Amino acid sequence: QSVLTQPPSVSGAPGQRVTISCTGSSSNIGAAYDVHWYQQLPGTAPKLLIYGNSNRPSGVPDRFSGSKSGTSASLAITGLQAEDEADYYCQSYDSSLSGYVFGTGTKVTVL
Amino acid sequence: QVQLQESGPGLVKPSGTLSLTCAVSGGSISSSNWWSWVRQPPGKGLEWIGEIYHSGSTNYNPSLKSRVTISVDKSKNQFSLKLSSVTAADTAVYYCARWETGNWFDPWGQGTPVTVSS
Repeated sequence: QSVLTQPPSVSGAPGQRVTISCTGSSSNIGAAYDVHWYQQLPGTAPKLLIYGNSNRPSGVPDRFSGSKSGTSASLAITGLQAEDEADYYCQSYDSSLSGYVFGTGTKVTVL
Repeated sequence: QVQLQESGPGLVKPSGTLSLTCAVSGGSISSSNWWSWVRQPPGKGLEWIGEIYHSGSTNYNPSLKSRVTISVDKSKNQFSLKLSSVTAADTAVYYCARWETGNWFDPWGQGTPVTVSS
């Protein structure tokens, strides 16, 4: 039931920069609802990574950054590290569904 | 800080009712937050199930609304999920999470796996 679309996977060498897109529609991201990002390490619960499009909770490295434009949002990871291997999910609110929606998820692989 | 812990049976029979509880510690369930359930089928993405406020007000995912009931027990500082008429498609890890003003979820419980099988 995911209404937010993400690429299934992205990869990069240590130290490189990778970006993950999150494409929505006029009833969610395009309707000015904020986008939030979660990191899910293997076998663990999701952890808030970015909130309110571009804000980092305390303790999240500044290698992680978020942005939003129109009906899409992006998560960038600079200076990629082995510990960044995880699944990443975007999340927003959808007015048509009257509920919260998640992206399809992106697996980040560090080569 | 606030911590969440899910509990409940790990195995439910088809057509039965899935029942889980989320215990809140380090904070009050009567704070200005909503409390949610999210699930993740094996190898798949996240799906929001529904939420409750300490007053008892609820909102549910339309795709699950006919089968979901979320309740709160303020005396025990916990909230619960019931999902009826379950099938194998309801097999998932179930997470509870606190909703923050601004529409994000933080923190999350560690999750509890539930398998629907006879």
